[in-house]
Amino acid sequence: EIVMTQSPGTLSLSPGESATLSCRASQSVNSAYLAWYQQKPGQAPRLVIYGTSTRATGIPDRFSGSGSGTDFTLTISRLEPEDFAVYYCQQYGGSSYTFGQGTKLEIK
Amino acid sequence: QVQLVQSGAEVKKPGASVKVSCKTSGYDFISYDVNWVRQAPGQGLDWMGWMNPYSGNALYAQKFQGRVTMTRNTSTTTAYLELSSLRSEDTAVYYCVRSHFGLDVWGQGTTVTVSS
Repeated sequence: EIVMTQSPGTLSLSPGESATLSCRASQSVNSAYLAWYQQKPGQAPRLVIYGTSTRATGIPDRFSGSGSGTDFTLTISRLEPEDFAVYYCQQYGGSSYTFGQGTKLEIK
Repeated sequence: QVQLVQSGAEVKKPGASVKVSCKTSGYDFISYDVNWVRQAPGQGLDWMGWMNPYSGNALYAQKFQGRVTMTRNTSTTTAYLELSSLRSEDTAVYYCVRSHFGLDVWGQGTTVTVSS
């Protein structure tokens, strides 16, 4: 099973700043099968990025994804108050899907 | 619009089974896999497996094999998750989720509480 490790665990930033969230896989991941999700308290997760860099429907262009192999990044520029949430990366290739443990993006 | 609407909260005793339903609408049910993901209180997301509604075939995460069954009813476009031999660690919110370039549409979640 591919293990996904996210860093940092918590990121404290102010609105208007940029956030960089990292996700590392224990073995190489097909970049077509790497996604990011946003979850706010009491809500179901929401797909943000799929295929490493493609924004899901309705996701603003301040969200961007990049990476390949074992290292992937979600960047959120010009943070808005609604962006503060927990973010999970996920690989969905092969016979199992695995999530990272999450990065909490909190208001500083 | 695409919707996945899950059944209501459940309270079960240890050793019992639970069956959660996921009623889909707004898309061709048999064309997209349905996944199940759970989240224990204060914890992260845990993928349980997926089912192909066209064939009925399912793939389960290793940690749940032997205890989980994913089925469907194509006439009612409903997917089901059954988890047996429940223990306290199975207390969680269970989500059904459509697969389409990632997990793109999520149900609202069903809280399952396992308590004696």
